[in-house]
Amino acid sequence: DVKVTQSSRYLVKRTGEKVFLECVQDMDHENMFWYRQDPGLGLRLIYFSYDVKMKEKGDIPEGYSVSREKKERFSLILESASTNQTSMYLCASSPIRTSGLDRRNTIYFGEGSWLTVV
Amino acid sequence: AQSVTQLGSHVSVSEGALVLLRCNYSSSVPPYLFWYVQYPNQGLQLLLKYTSAATLVKGINGFEAEFKKSETSFHLTKPSAHMSDAAEYFCAVSKGNTGFQKLVFGTGTRLLVSP
Repeated sequence: DVKVTQSSRYLVKRTGEKVFLECVQDMDHENMFWYRQDPGLGLRLIYFSYDVKMKEKGDIPEGYSVSREKKERFSLILESASTNQTSMYLCASSPIRTSGLDRRNTIYFGEGSWLTVV
Repeated sequence: AQSVTQLGSHVSVSEGALVLLRCNYSSSVPPYLFWYVQYPNQGLQLLLKYTSAATLVKGINGFEAEFKKSETSFHLTKPSAHMSDAAEYFCAVSKGNTGFQKLVFGTGTRLLVSP
């Protein structure tokens, strides 16, 4: 089975702290994603990466950065945490098929990290 | 730009009743559509996906969805609800025309199942 592991399930951080959320996948997937989930808003894409050291902004990148130094690991960084970043963060991964237009890949999600900023 | 709209933030059914969760999409290109389920305190799990093959798609746990282009809909159904189906359900559409598989999600529908 595909495994996407988020190292911290529950975190409480103070305003202004630098926060690292770590995600590891064990299926050699090229794509990795960070989503934020809020009640009534569904999931919103923060950043995604399609290769090592490659990243692109999603829909809500402000206040976040990411790092992908190894294929299996994708980190989300909150440079200076704020209370409006209190949320559930979901990491995901998916493979890329060799045919670029084949979009039948499945995205696999981790169990989520609940972050509270006080 | 692709988007999905889920009608109803909460749906309540009795055990054994039909489950119907509604999803309408907007897409400028033929869409790929997905339903995901999220159980309490867990991540999302794929229920089923439409990728331009058969319009009626069968998924796990007895769920199915039908792609109707004329109605721009992809509603999720299950003939008989179980207590274990209580969860939040998300409809999603694939965004972009590359292999990156970025998904745009709806706001979710919480399914409540009563005995």
